[in-house]
Amino acid sequence: QSVLTQAPSASATPGQSVTISCSGSSSNIGSNYVYWYQQLPGTAPKLLIYRNNYRPSGVPDRFSGSKSGTSASLAISGLRSEDEADYYCAAWDDSLSGRVFGGGTKLTVL
Amino acid sequence: QVQIQQWGAGLLKPSETLSLTCTVFGGSFSGYSWSWIRQPPGKGLEWIGEIHHSGNTNYNPSLESRVTISADTSKEQFSLKVTSVTAADTALYYCAREDGGFSDWGRGTLVTVSS
Repeated sequence: QSVLTQAPSASATPGQSVTISCSGSSSNIGSNYVYWYQQLPGTAPKLLIYRNNYRPSGVPDRFSGSKSGTSASLAISGLRSEDEADYYCAAWDDSLSGRVFGGGTKLTVL
Repeated sequence: QVQIQQWGAGLLKPSETLSLTCTVFGGSFSGYSWSWIRQPPGKGLEWIGEIHHSGNTNYNPSLESRVTISADTSKEQFSLKVTSVTAADTALYYCAREDGGFSDWGRGTLVTVSS
């Protein structure tokens, strides 16, 4: 059982937009930054969004992050087949004094 | 560009101690925090713990009693030890640099615990 809650799967067709949600609590998302990671099959995760809504250099602007209260979202526009991956949210948790991940959302591009 | 190379034993018997090490290349060891993260086969990511440039550590409460993370700044290395392993510790273990998010990752080491 992950501290941050994500839907296990999502799907959309190429060119469409999709939003992946992450739900937490006041001790994590509600009071700390949210990060998003993309994990392509057989590879290490890659930082996609940091500090709620910033993209590292090289991440396309098709990816965007937002946060409201104790929830956060990752939006992907203009879906491409190469976006098919697992997406994880993460945050610091003040109660646990540690970092926590969501269970991950497997995105399928139909 | 930071590169992280990790290594360690990949097959352990129950009750043994897991030991993994990561070496950082690119001259960017000091001033950052370094974490260990694991991923059981077919499952999600679990943060194990971290060591700060100060030497302070933070651990996942669910693993804290069995985990030690240490660093050797002169070698630009940091290490993970997990004692008394069981089959539940079977996972792909990653090391990563924390720089406003886990910005750089090792390639992962598969550790299997089996009698």
